Amino acid sequence: DIQMTQSPSSLSASVGDRVTITCRASQGIRGSLAWYQQKPGKAPKLLLYTASRLESGVPSRFSGSGSGTDYTLTISSLQPEDFATYYCQQYYDTPPYTFGQGTKLEIK
Amino acid sequence: QVTLRESGPALVKPTQTLTLTCTFSGFSLTTSGMCVNWIRQPPGKALEWLARIDWDDDKYYSTSLKTRLTISKDTSKNQVVLTMTNMDPVDTATYYCARTVAGNIHWFDPWGQGTLVTVSS
Repeated sequence: DIQMTQSPSSLSASVGDRVTITCRASQGIRGSLAWYQQKPGKAPKLLLYTASRLESGVPSRFSGSGSGTDYTLTISSLQPEDFATYYCQQYYDTPPYTFGQGTKLEIK
Repeated sequence: QVTLRESGPALVKPTQTLTLTCTFSGFSLTTSGMCVNWIRQPPGKALEWLARIDWDDDKYYSTSLKTRLTISKDTSKNQVVLTMTNMDPVDTATYYCARTVAGNIHWFDPWGQGTLVTVSS
């Protein structure tokens, strides 16, 4: 199975900050990566797919990039509603699908 | 509008078999490409994909759990059922179902709201 290593596991930031979360795959996944946001007690919400394509309705302050094994999620200017946990998911040569361990974004 | 909803017991005893049902609307599992997946999340921990069933009845399972899992579908009821045998306290988790589309859309969208299953004697 492809392993996904996400970093950092937690992050403290302030409203207005620019933050970046990284996801590294154990082998190349050719952009087959999605990002999700999860708030406490809720199901994950799709943010981006194919590494950089923004899901409809997701604010443009969210962006994704990467290739090969290394991918990033960037939030350009944190808003109060962005404090949540973020997960990456690979879907290259699937199944099985695998997720990163999550990054908890907290208010500083 | 595509929606999914999970249902099943909130509490199971160790060694018992868990049966969960995903009832969906807005699509049919008779339509080419449609797939339904199960994903779980222990409290405070990461997401873990469990299984997928496709419109053509192909089935896929987690490498680590495949000996304990069975996924099936009832297209007349728009339902997908997951069974997990020999439940253990470490299987305590919120269980979600979510749709993917074979060949095109391997990201999970949408998700059900999840159902919390606690394994305890």
